[in-house]
Amino acid sequence: KAGVTQTPRYLIKTRGQQVTLSCSPISGHRSVSWYQQTPGQGLQFLFEYFSETQRNKGNFPGRFSGRQFSNSRSEMNVSTLELGDSALYLCASTSRERGGHETQYFGPGTRLLVL
Amino acid sequence: AQSVTQLGSHVSVSEGALVLLRCNYSSSVPPYLFWYVQYPNQGLQLLLKYTSAATLVKGINGFEAEFKKSETSFHLTKPSAHMSDAAEYFCAVSGGSNYKLTFGKGTLLTVNP
Repeated sequence: KAGVTQTPRYLIKTRGQQVTLSCSPISGHRSVSWYQQTPGQGLQFLFEYFSETQRNKGNFPGRFSGRQFSNSRSEMNVSTLELGDSALYLCASTSRERGGHETQYFGPGTRLLVL
Repeated sequence: AQSVTQLGSHVSVSEGALVLLRCNYSSSVPPYLFWYVQYPNQGLQLLLKYTSAATLVKGINGFEAEFKKSETSFHLTKPSAHMSDAAEYFCAVSGGSNYKLTFGKGTLLTVNP
């Protein structure tokens, strides 16, 4: 099976702009999670979608939003970009496995630089 | 609430030496525990996971970890380090109805020739 794909891989924006990042999960996986990784804060959970519904949300401002489509692909949007939004944004595709536990498999990430 | 503490932000070993990366967790529900590795400019790769089946878990690339409930620990080990093991390692916890992963701050492993 193909892994998690994220596009674009690199992005440069200026303050005040908005950005949309895309994630295609592993075939058959219905849950997608997003994480932000920065040197200062480490890996932080943004939100998780399952069957087009947001099931869980982290502690980020409303400028960060997401959605999931019927084919399980997901997008996240950041509006009114700030310098502090510069980060690696990771998407994870979740496999529900025997025993009921879930395992997350990560994509390569989108590196966003805000100038 | 769940949390993870990784002791040592940077560990340096010689090639062929034992690798020991420490992880302690806190969880109000029975935890699922994971170790991920991140190479420069890449995403996270799953090394191994604990899901209550066995306390000693074997993963890829010769790594293993032991779940010790009494010590709330899930330390990662490898008997003999290889240069290709140089990377950043993250311990993570999830559990209950909370589907998110909570990560530690990471440990950067350096392998010296």
